[in-house]
Amino acid sequence: EAQVTQNPRYLITVTGKKLTVTCSQNMNHEYMSWYRQDPGLGLRQIYYSMNVEVTDKGDVPEGYKVSRKEKRNFPLILESPSPNQTSLYFCASSSGGTASNQPQHFGDGTRLSIL
Amino acid sequence: AQSVTQLGSHVSVSEGALVLLRCNYSSSVPPYLFWYVQYPNQGLQLLLKYTSAATLVKGINGFEAEFKKSETSFHLTKPSAHMSDAAEYFCAVTESDSWGKLQFGAGTQVVVTP
Repeated sequence: EAQVTQNPRYLITVTGKKLTVTCSQNMNHEYMSWYRQDPGLGLRQIYYSMNVEVTDKGDVPEGYKVSRKEKRNFPLILESPSPNQTSLYFCASSSGGTASNQPQHFGDGTRLSIL
Repeated sequence: AQSVTQLGSHVSVSEGALVLLRCNYSSSVPPYLFWYVQYPNQGLQLLLKYTSAATLVKGINGFEAEFKKSETSFHLTKPSAHMSDAAEYFCAVTESDSWGKLQFGAGTQVVVTP
């Protein structure tokens, strides 16, 4: 089954404790992206990757890091989480080519609470 | 720069009534437009997309949307609401020369009443 898998689904942690949210897709997609969803703001893009070793900032990259060492994986790293990063996070992927017109496939989300 | 405005953060419709969700965009180049739906505790699913072919786009679950360039709009409709349509709906835009940058609207929560 084609899917985007995020782990963990839920995490409660404390300020400053480094954490990683993993994202994996099994569709051989070139493009992957991370979003955060906050009430009244919709989804905002954090980082995206057009292929292995190619990443770029989205609209809200501060406080986050990403890496794309393999095509299928795109982890999101919070080196020193703060309470304003409490949010619902989604990973998405899509095929390449003229990828701007390709729909994105979303994971089920990771709810992070930073105390 | 692109942006998306969804009019109405909450919409309540009766079962069997028309569903109309409004989306306006701003874009300096021809856009690609999408509608996604999010059911509780799930990720987003694609309803339909406009990519410069037909201006009236049909999607899944009986939804359709019409691209109107003169009004910079991409409103979503369904003739007859079903209880299962209760969800949050997001309009999104990306520009044809802006690979990877997808901009979402704030979302519209749809409630369907019996």
